Amino acid sequence: GDSVTQMEGPVTLSEEAFLTINCTYTATGYPSLFWYVQYPGEGLQLLLKATKADDKGSNKGFEATYRKETTSFHLEKGSVQVSDSAVYFCALEAGNQFYFGTGTSLTVIP
Amino acid sequence: NAGVMQNPRHLVRRRGQEARLRCSPMKGHSHVYWYRQLPEEGLKFMVYLQKENIIDESGMPKERFSAEFPKEGPSILRIQQVVRGDSAAYFCASSKNRLAGAETQYFGPGTRLLVL
Repeated sequence: GDSVTQMEGPVTLSEEAFLTINCTYTATGYPSLFWYVQYPGEGLQLLLKATKADDKGSNKGFEATYRKETTSFHLEKGSVQVSDSAVYFCALEAGNQFYFGTGTSLTVIP
Repeated sequence: NAGVMQNPRHLVRRRGQEARLRCSPMKGHSHVYWYRQLPEEGLKFMVYLQKENIIDESGMPKERFSAEFPKEGPSILRIQQVVRGDSAAYFCASSKNRLAGAETQYFGPGTRLLVL
């Protein structure tokens, strides 16, 4: 069945460090891919998305490229800030359902 | 413009009691989705509803769990005779249209249920 496998956390980085959070997926057909972010005490918010192979989603300095050949959608940011501390979820949409990864907790220290 | 509202934010129940979780979708949204996040796990789809209709309940446990989305009022996720294993965060999401392609879901802040 469809699923998402996400890099386990927690991840702790210093401010201005480079961030990569790995995400791979298994799906029949051609799903849309998403990254959601959850700040403490809040619901999930859409961070970025990509709907087809080779699409690059980007928002707030974060990027992820839909790689069909490696079935991956890794999240990257060149220089993280303390305010990026949150839990990040990779997800795919297929049919009427979203499938989420387990989430990766990121803490950025000054 | 209010987002998706869920209440209560935290709910404590003893084993055998009933839990009722409420979700008010964003204004103009008529599609609601419920997810459960067990400790150390990702969100798992439970049920998809439109007004007065259950469209997909393939993720709902077969017993004790039910959901509704009446014509008026919020969507309700009801758990009867709760057990400790029901302790989790329950998230509601809404969308304007039926999911197709990259339709975005908007999430509420979740209800944290603790069963003692």
